[in-house]
Formats: sequence, C-alpha cells, structure tokens
Amino acid sequence: AQSVAQPEDQVNVAEGNPLTVKCTYSVSGNPYLFWYVQYPNRGLQFLLKYITGDNLVKGSYGFEAEFNKSQTSFHLKKPSALVSDSALYFCAVRDNSRGGYQKVTFGTGTKLQVIP
Amino acid sequence: DAGVTQSPTHLIKTRGQQVTLRCSPKSGHDTVSWYQQALGQGPQFIFQYYEEEERQRGNFPDRFSGHQFPNYSSELNVNALLLGDSALYLCASSSSSGGRYLTQYFGPGTRLTVL
Repeated sequence: AQSVAQPEDQVNVAEGNPLTVKCTYSVSGNPYLFWYVQYPNRGLQFLLKYITGDNLVKGSYGFEAEFNKSQTSFHLKKPSALVSDSALYFCAVRDNSRGGYQKVTFGTGTKLQVIP
Repeated sequence: DAGVTQSPTHLIKTRGQQVTLRCSPKSGHDTVSWYQQALGQGPQFIFQYYEEEERQRGNFPDRFSGHQFPNYSSELNVNALLLGDSALYLCASSSSSGGRYLTQYFGPGTRLTVL
C-alpha cells in the first residue's frame, strides 16, 4: 500500500522568508510524487511533480520540491513567500509499479499561512 | 481551452436519497478519476474510469457507482445517502497517452450536503 504523511497541520512564515512544507511517502516501487495547492472552496491546482531525473523539481509560482530517496521525502520549498501563497497544500504519491493505473494517494494537507 | 468542469456546484440532499454528480474532462483527456474530500481531510480516491469502464476502485461501498460516456465525460452516483457522505467531490482528468498522462487536473468540485 502507498501512503503520504504531512507532519505539520499548519506552517506559519513571514512574507519574504523562505518556506518549507514537509512530505514523506511510502510506496513499494518507485514513486511518482506531486504537490497540489487548494484555495478556499476551490479544487486542487497542480504545482509540480517528480517522475525521474533531477532531484530538484521546479514548478508553478516559484515553488520547487526536493526528492530525497534515502529519506523518502519530497519537501515543497519557495525562496521568498508571498501573502498570496497562503492556502492548503497537498502532497500526493503514485506507485509507478501499477503501470497505467493512476490511483493517487494524498496526504492530509498542510495549511500555509504567510504573515504580512 | 476549458479545464475540468463539474456540476452542480452545490447540492443539498436528505438521508436515503440518491445523487448524481457530473464531470467533463479537460480537452484531450480520456481518463476520469473521482475523489471524496471530507472537511479537513485530503482527497480520498473513489474510482477511475477509462474507455467507459471502471479501472480501479478505492475503499468505497457499492453505493458509490459511476459511468463514463463515449465523449469521456463521467457521472458519479451515490445511493442511499448517509450523513457521512457530506463532502466535496472532486473530479480529476488525465490523458492515457504521452508523458503528461501522469498529471491529474482537478475540477472545482461539487459540495454535497446530506441532512
């Protein structure tokens, strides 16, 4: 079975400071990893994904994530936080051993609050 | 290019009733997945449809069923509604061809309230 853990329910960061939202995963095969953002009363918006290759993945809105296989982590980062980044962030994993089947497992989410 | 659309936006039902939610995938996508997101939780996978067949299913009872049409749009049906079915129901679409098939794009969701 595959699973995702987001250990922090909420992360507070001052505007302009770097931010990190943590994610660890568990899969039996090689992982495909995703970050999504959700604004209030909205669906999920895709930010970035790791499939293979470079461990540092760059995505939308200046976000990036670092894949660490030994620590089974995929932390989301941004060098300088904006107030508009305040939202709910979800990490998700898919086990690529399942071929074309695309069941994706999500974490419970981390609320990011950027303080002006 | 329209993204994933869902209807209705909001829905209020009473226990025991049945509900149908609808989803139109992003242009060029042929695979539709449905998720249930309870308040304060992450989305939970319900099932996925491809080529008009249910390809994979999460841990949801048979009260949850679906359908995919030849134009790739999809419906989620829930019978005998329970209070615990109150949630945001999300539809996600993806393409089975090419490298981008791995990314699912989500619609805005349907908020279902069961009274």
